[in-house]
Amino acid sequence: SQQGEEDPQALSIQEGENATMNCSYKTSINNLQWYRQNSGRGLVHLILIRSNEREKHSGRLRVTLDTSKKSSSLLITASRAADTASYFCATVAPGYSTLTFGKGTMLLVSP
Amino acid sequence: GAVVSQHPSRVICKSGTSVKIECRSLDFQATTMFWYRQFPKQSLMLMATSNEGSKATYEQGVEKDKFLINHASLTLSTLTVTSAHPEDSSFYICSARPSQAYYGYTFGSGTRLTVV
Repeated sequence: SQQGEEDPQALSIQEGENATMNCSYKTSINNLQWYRQNSGRGLVHLILIRSNEREKHSGRLRVTLDTSKKSSSLLITASRAADTASYFCATVAPGYSTLTFGKGTMLLVSP
Repeated sequence: GAVVSQHPSRVICKSGTSVKIECRSLDFQATTMFWYRQFPKQSLMLMATSNEGSKATYEQGVEKDKFLINHASLTLSTLTVTSAHPEDSSFYICSARPSQAYYGYTFGSGTRLTVV
């Protein structure tokens, strides 16, 4: 399966700061999703944005989608140490049900 | 919320033996489940799509005789790694989509397989 790119690969910030992660993909999509993975654990679904949406919010999360640039960003505001994890974007192509994952961003939030 | 239970969480086996990993949807029915493999500090690679009552669909490059998938009921899919070798050591994760109306997926907690 084709993977997108995420940047940065790693991000280190202090508690209270905002964290922004970017994701680019290569093909047309039905929707784009963001997942969090704590070390050695499964993935947790965070938020989904459809191809006809440009921005979505959920708690401290804000996701944007620019289909013309084939890119998305995830903003975590007022970060906490518990936000330390890897974050992956994943796309679903039109007519398909499988997820294609990006390479992920490792976020470290220091107290 | 929807829960996918995956067992075991960790397994160590000897080369040449087979290992079975179970993935159960606890509070919903899953006609389709997905199996992924993840190497350290890397992303998830889809291995196969498991279909209840029919054969699994394998991604290119995945050996179907080595990674046997059985989806015998609407709540259980199993992945058997046959004749395991050290290079099969990896983190295996399953997932399912709880609702046809929503595209979000629920993932199991993963299985760390170490072949010695």
